[in-house]
Amino acid sequence: NAGVTQTPKFQVLKTGQSMTLQCAQDMNHNSMYWYRQDPGMGLRLIYYSASEGTTDKGEVPNGYNVSRLNKREFSLRLESAAPSQTSVYFCASSEASEGKQRTDTQYFGPGTRLTVL
Amino acid sequence: QKEVEQDPGPLSVPEGAIVSLNCTYSNSAFQYFMWYRQYSRKGPELLMYTYSSGNKEDGRFTAQVDKSSKYISLFIRDSQPSDSATYLCAMKSTGGFKTIFGAGTRLFVKA
Repeated sequence: NAGVTQTPKFQVLKTGQSMTLQCAQDMNHNSMYWYRQDPGMGLRLIYYSASEGTTDKGEVPNGYNVSRLNKREFSLRLESAAPSQTSVYFCASSEASEGKQRTDTQYFGPGTRLTVL
Repeated sequence: QKEVEQDPGPLSVPEGAIVSLNCTYSNSAFQYFMWYRQYSRKGPELLMYTYSSGNKEDGRFTAQVDKSSKYISLFIRDSQPSDSATYLCAMKSTGGFKTIFGAGTRLFVKA
């Protein structure tokens, strides 16, 4: 079991460039999440997906789009990167589903360190 | 005001010390309280999970929740250098998918 995997591990972009962060989980989890982690701010939810085919905005969705490609994969896209999007991005997954949200242990990937110049 | 407040530290203690990590929160709807541990350049991993008020013990770790004061704590007994990490508190209400995380407290345990 690889758990949650993320690619790439590191990325440097110029302002205005686009890129997609990939995430996959092999735990058959229903829900998947994208967070960003900045110093002093903790983890902030960007988008989440409660099931295949559904996505919802989190706390800081502006400038991002997501796709739940199938149950395993959840990608995060930056269409036009800005320096304010320099951060460490974490993908997570959990068993939570509609009607079963109480137990929500989230399993995190290793993160992607993104720098936007 | 943030929904969850956590002192970022850093907190430096000698090996064997008792460590106390704390968070306060403002949303009385929170029912589930978690502590995640994050080693440097790694993703967070769940350490402790508590529902509503009370204490929960797991080895050297004890989690306490005081809902009347909106205050949660994590105690680490006989701290070890391997406990050096950032500890994030996290909370969620019944139902819904959003977990709110604290900023994390960075802990150093010196040998």
